[in-house]
Amino acid sequence: DARVTQTPRDKVTEMGQEVTMRCQPILGHNTVFWYRQTMMQGLELLAYFRNRAPLDDSGMPKDRFSAEMPDATLATLKIQPSEPRDSAVYFCASEGGRGELFFGEGSRLTVL
Amino acid sequence: LAKTTQPISMDSYEGQEVNITCSHNNIATNDYITWYQQFPSQGPRFIIQGYKTKVTNEVASLFIPADRKSSTLSLPRVSLSDTAVYYCLVGDFNTDKLIFGTGTRLQVFP
Repeated sequence: DARVTQTPRDKVTEMGQEVTMRCQPILGHNTVFWYRQTMMQGLELLAYFRNRAPLDDSGMPKDRFSAEMPDATLATLKIQPSEPRDSAVYFCASEGGRGELFFGEGSRLTVL
Repeated sequence: LAKTTQPISMDSYEGQEVNITCSHNNIATNDYITWYQQFPSQGPRFIIQGYKTKVTNEVASLFIPADRKSSTLSLPRVSLSDTAVYYCLVGDFNTDKLIFGTGTRLQVFP
């Protein structure tokens, strides 16, 4: 059963620390999205890639967030340094050309 | 990018049919309409997608009028387990960044 895998599921860290979240998209899916969800802002699009190339990252705070796809099986989202306002659930989703997004279970980040 | 507008919340009772309407007045020619369901602590899950007229699958129907400026997700005979947030997403999945709106929080009561 193909699915998107995200790690870590839960992360608690202190302000100023670096946080890296990883996503393994479904094999063969060439588009990967990173979303952030909070109660106040809902689901926000942070960045997305097609064929590993970044297409848009305008939703990310550029000074602290970075997103990469080092290969077709791995997407990463890094926050350095982390701040309490970054506390949220971060979702990765992949899409295989038919318009259906498959979401991972999310990484819940708490920055103290 | 077509902006979507949905009701913030809806209530229903078990066994009833629920219709959630989404407005997307500036939908583009190549845009598709896709609905997702999200339970607490889970990522959104695809329900149904359409371009025009009516689409039906095992869980829902999607009605799209000729002008495509709105769409209605129909859930037949809801149960308690249908309590969730439902998102309408409009875009060309080949070229667009896919932006979710605020969604509709459906509460089903016994």
